[in-house]
Amino acid sequence: QVQLQESGPGLVKPSETLSLSCSVSGGSISDYYWTWIRQPPGKGLEWIGYIHYSGSTTYNPSLKSRLTISLDTSKNQFSLRLSSVTAADTAVYYCARTDMTIIRYGVDVWGPGTTVIVSS
Amino acid sequence: DIQMTQSPSSLSASVGDRVTMTCRASQGIGNSLAWYQQKPGKAPKFLIYATSTLESGVPSRFRGSGSGTDYTLTISSLQPDDFATYYCQQYYTAPPTFGGGTKVEIK
Repeated sequence: QVQLQESGPGLVKPSETLSLSCSVSGGSISDYYWTWIRQPPGKGLEWIGYIHYSGSTTYNPSLKSRLTISLDTSKNQFSLRLSSVTAADTAVYYCARTDMTIIRYGVDVWGPGTTVIVSS
Repeated sequence: DIQMTQSPSSLSASVGDRVTMTCRASQGIGNSLAWYQQKPGKAPKFLIYATSTLESGVPSRFRGSGSGTDYTLTISSLQPDDFATYYCQQYYTAPPTFGGGTKVEIK
C-alpha cells in the first residue's frame, strides 16, 4: 500500500526557509491531493495546504504569503517550503494524502511525521 | 475560516463504557465532517467521513452523527486500543480546519 516518508532538516534558524520533502512509495502520485499538516508541541493539528497531481495548489491563508508546495512526479515526491520562519513554526510536520471525491473525503494516508525546531 | 470547537477537551472512562464527544462548527458545514484518532507520538488515523461513514477497517463501535453545526462521535463500548485523542475536521470550505481535540484517558 502507499507509504509516505518526510525528510529534511530538523533544525532551522529564525528568518530562514524551512524545506521538507515527502517521498511516496507503493503507489503513484497521480490523482489525490498531496497534503502538509503540522502539529505544534502539545497542540492540535493545523492544515498547511495541498497540491493536486495536476499541479494546482490550495494553501492555508494564514501561511500563504510564506508557503510553496510543489510536486515532482518523476521522483514521486512533493515538497514544502516555508519562508521567514519563527519559533511559532516549530512543529511536527506530516505529509499526507487527501482523497477528495464527490463521495469520499479524508486524509487517509499519513507519513510518520518529522520534527522541525526553529531556533538559533 | 470555519472554527471547530471540540468538547470536552478530555474525558476519563473505563473499558466497556459508552463515550460521546462533540464537535461544533462556527457555521453550517453540510455534513462535511471527518474524524481522526491520534495516539501519542503517532500520525493521526482516519476514522470517519461525511459525518457518519466509517473508513474501511474501522470497528463498528465507532459511530458518527450530526448535522448543521453540531456533530458527535460515539464509541459504544470503549476498548483498550481506543484510548487516544480524537480530532474532527470540516472540509466544507477551504481551508479545512481541525478541532482542538478530545483526549480519552483511562479512568
